[in-house]
Amino acid sequence: AQTVTQSQPEMSVQEAETVTLSCTYDTSESDYYLFWYKQPPSRQMILVIRQEAYKQQNATENRFSVNFQKAAKSFSLKISDSQLGDAAMYFCAYPNGGSQGNLIFGKGTKLSVKP
Amino acid sequence: DAMVIQNPRYQVTQFGKPVTLSCSQTLNHNVMYWYQQKSSQAPKLLFHYYDKDFNNEADTPDNFQSRRPNTSFCFLDIRSPGLGDAAMYLCATSTPLEEGAPGETQYFGPGTRLLVL
Repeated sequence: AQTVTQSQPEMSVQEAETVTLSCTYDTSESDYYLFWYKQPPSRQMILVIRQEAYKQQNATENRFSVNFQKAAKSFSLKISDSQLGDAAMYFCAYPNGGSQGNLIFGKGTKLSVKP
Repeated sequence: DAMVIQNPRYQVTQFGKPVTLSCSQTLNHNVMYWYQQKSSQAPKLLFHYYDKDFNNEADTPDNFQSRRPNTSFCFLDIRSPGLGDAAMYLCATSTPLEEGAPGETQYFGPGTRLLVL
């Protein structure tokens, strides 16, 4: 079965510092996407960044970047220059190859940002 | 702005009283999803529509049904809500790059929080 594992239930970072959230996954597919979604308290889930597995280059979106290690099935999210608004639940997600767009989510990492 | 809209944002129902949650989208996406998210847990897919083609997850209880009358709207019907059905219900949409392609980005609505008394 395909699984997504986030081993850090909670993380904390000082404002302006850098934090890395980890994610590992298990799949037998060779071509797929990986996603990081952010869910602030009582607010809707939004896409932070996505990575296409066949691309060697790590995806970057402003202060957010990933470290994608395909062989190791690792997909970590780095947040640079952390801001108070980054405080949220972060979910790593992988689309189940057997079903169109069916996302399998990790259990999430709750990120706190200290002023 | 193109978006995914869910109404109502909060819904209170009584144990066993049918309830319907609605979702609409202005993105013109082919695929619409319903997820259930319980407190401090990850979202869990209940079912999805690819156009009019309904796809139910194997472990979705029969108590949950869905309708998609047109591209823009999708409804989640809970026929006899139990206390265990209290959760946030998330609607999402996506458009596949091509048929059979790996999942594309999903766009989520704000969710409807369901309380069962």
